[in-house]
Amino acid sequence: GAGVSQSPSNKVTEKGKDVELRCDPISGHTALYWYRQSLGQGLEFLIYFQGNSAPDKSGLPSDRFSAERTGGSVSTLTIQRTQQEDSAVYLCASSTGRTLSYEQYFGPGTRLTVT
Amino acid sequence: QKEVEQNSGPLSVPEGAIASLNCTYSDRGSQSFFWYRQYSGKSPELIMSIYSNGDKEDGRFTAQLNKASQYVSLLIRDSQPSDSATYLCAVKRYGNNRLAFGKGNQVVVIP
Repeated sequence: GAGVSQSPSNKVTEKGKDVELRCDPISGHTALYWYRQSLGQGLEFLIYFQGNSAPDKSGLPSDRFSAERTGGSVSTLTIQRTQQEDSAVYLCASSTGRTLSYEQYFGPGTRLTVT
Repeated sequence: QKEVEQNSGPLSVPEGAIASLNCTYSDRGSQSFFWYRQYSGKSPELIMSIYSNGDKEDGRFTAQLNKASQYVSLLIRDSQPSDSATYLCAVKRYGNNRLAFGKGNQVVVIP
């Protein structure tokens, strides 16, 4: 079946601009996660959505970052007033959300370059 | 102390040999453990999950978990050039939604 999809695959933006990154999880998966991976760094958790519950935003690095998930499916990660340190690969993952089933499946990522 | 630690140096193994990767974690409350494979320029791909102490085998891969010693390992038997990638260890803590990842181990299989 279809995996997690993300768009765009690449995004180049100027410092100070806003960007929106999109994630479409695996059909039927209620849990959705955003991570980012910077050169030489590990994967860093950003935010987690589970069904209709309030999102876990504990990993967002600043108030320039926000995310929403509409209709329990597609999610959008927004970065306002981008900075060069925001350059990274932004990865979305989804899981079933069922108890004792915690495997997360990643999308192909969006490579963000802030110039 | 880092939440999840992996040896940083690349591991070179001849084709057909066993590659052994180790990962330690700091939180005793961790409950779920995963190994991901990441090819250069690609996203992580889940290859193994393990929840209980002991060994879990899937094809040429074996994951080993020892909660008392707080480590999880991955063995790749009969290594193939296509196994050349970075392997990421990930840990989920009880009551926490996210995965914590190690920095990864690069494996190079030499034909």
